[in-house]
Amino acid sequence: QVQLQESGPGLVKPSETLSLTCAVSGYSISSGYYWGWIRQPPGKGLEWIGSISYSGDAYYNPSLKGRVTISRDTSKNQFSLKMNSVTATDTAVYFCARRDSGNYFIDYWGQGTLVTVSS
Amino acid sequence: QSALIQPPSASGSLGQSITISCSGTNNDLGIYNYVSWYQSHPGKAPKLLIYEINKRPSGVPDRFSGSKSGNTASLTVSGLQADDEADYFCSSYAGYNNVIFGGGTKLTVL
Repeated sequence: QVQLQESGPGLVKPSETLSLTCAVSGYSISSGYYWGWIRQPPGKGLEWIGSISYSGDAYYNPSLKGRVTISRDTSKNQFSLKMNSVTATDTAVYFCARRDSGNYFIDYWGQGTLVTVSS
Repeated sequence: QSALIQPPSASGSLGQSITISCSGTNNDLGIYNYVSWYQSHPGKAPKLLIYEINKRPSGVPDRFSGSKSGNTASLTVSGLQADDEADYFCSSYAGYNNVIFGGGTKLTVL
């Protein structure tokens, strides 16, 4: 059974960098699929942040490009999100997920972790 | 990229059917058949219900069905059960390896 688990600080100060890691078990992230990040601000819908492929290619939501970096550590079977220059509007529940390569659906999600941007 | 449009809420009685709509544009849902639907209970990871407009993953009951016409996709839940009370999100491929989501619909089972 594939499982994903987010970890990272729950509170980040404005203008600083948000850093989250997703640990994957039950499947090797270098074997297939795309591994992505999604967020949901309080009371709002989901927003796709970006993904990294099994071969290491990263893709980002154009609206966030420039602030976001997604990377991976295949030795630890995990991938990470860094978002710089955060503001209060980046406060959200952040999910990591596994996305099908060719059909663009998400078949496994993490539980999500709330990140609050506040001084 | 704009979000897909869903009604914020929907309701139905036990045993009845309910349909939730998801509207997009000719840049996303209207030209791609990669439409999926997710169910989200509070505090739990979202669950994939439908992919590629109308396909169900193994384990998802056939009470859940999907369709698409033009720029609008729909999720129908038949034989409503108490546990169907949840948030439902649609999503669509939007090109360049990006996915967009709907704002979500909160389904209440009366």
